[in-house]
Amino acid sequence: QVQLQESGPGLVKPSETLSLTCTVSGGSISSYYWSWIRQPAGKGLEWIGRIYTSGSTNYNPSLKSRVTMSVDTSKNQFSLKLSSVTAADTAVYYCARDDFGVATNWFDPWGQGTLVTVSS
Amino acid sequence: SYVLTQPPSVSVAPGQTARITCGGNNIGSKSVHWYQQKPGQAPVLVVYDDSDRPSGIPERFSGSNSGNTATLTISRVEAGDEADYYCQVWDSSSDHHVVFGGGTKLTVL
Repeated sequence: QVQLQESGPGLVKPSETLSLTCTVSGGSISSYYWSWIRQPAGKGLEWIGRIYTSGSTNYNPSLKSRVTMSVDTSKNQFSLKLSSVTAADTAVYYCARDDFGVATNWFDPWGQGTLVTVSS
Repeated sequence: SYVLTQPPSVSVAPGQTARITCGGNNIGSKSVHWYQQKPGQAPVLVVYDDSDRPSGIPERFSGSNSGNTATLTISRVEAGDEADYYCQVWDSSSDHHVVFGGGTKLTVL
């Protein structure tokens, strides 16, 4: 059974770059899209973007200018970088497998999530 | 950009049927997916492609989608079903991206 685990700093200073890694276990990272999703405390879910194992990406238009994703198939990992962070980027960040069909996609399974706080 | 609208809250007594709606312009032409999120936990997929259930999800969870409204139906509601529920679609109309509804808090009375 595929499991995902997020890792990275829990505290990032304003204007700096948030960096997170998701490690996939129990299955291969190949031939799937992999997504990042975040959730500010007490609020709803916001999709950040996704990456295919070939390196192809789709990003949320509202975050596109600050987001970079990468994948390391040898380590079964994919990563997120979000630049120029502000307090508004404080959230629980989830990684998830992005399963897809014809003109659609869904997320299953999800990692447990990691809280990232932006503060000086 | 595409918008999904959910009621903030739905309340139901145990044993009754809960219906959570997700509204969007011609949403019936899209595939809708639903997630359950309990406090302090990651979301869990409960319905995908409008009405399919992942393995391990009880048959009490079902979905439908037509016109401008998709619906998640939970039959014989249990206390353990109390959670936030989110609908989700893929918007291929402009920049290809994911859209989530704002979420619905299901309260079991």
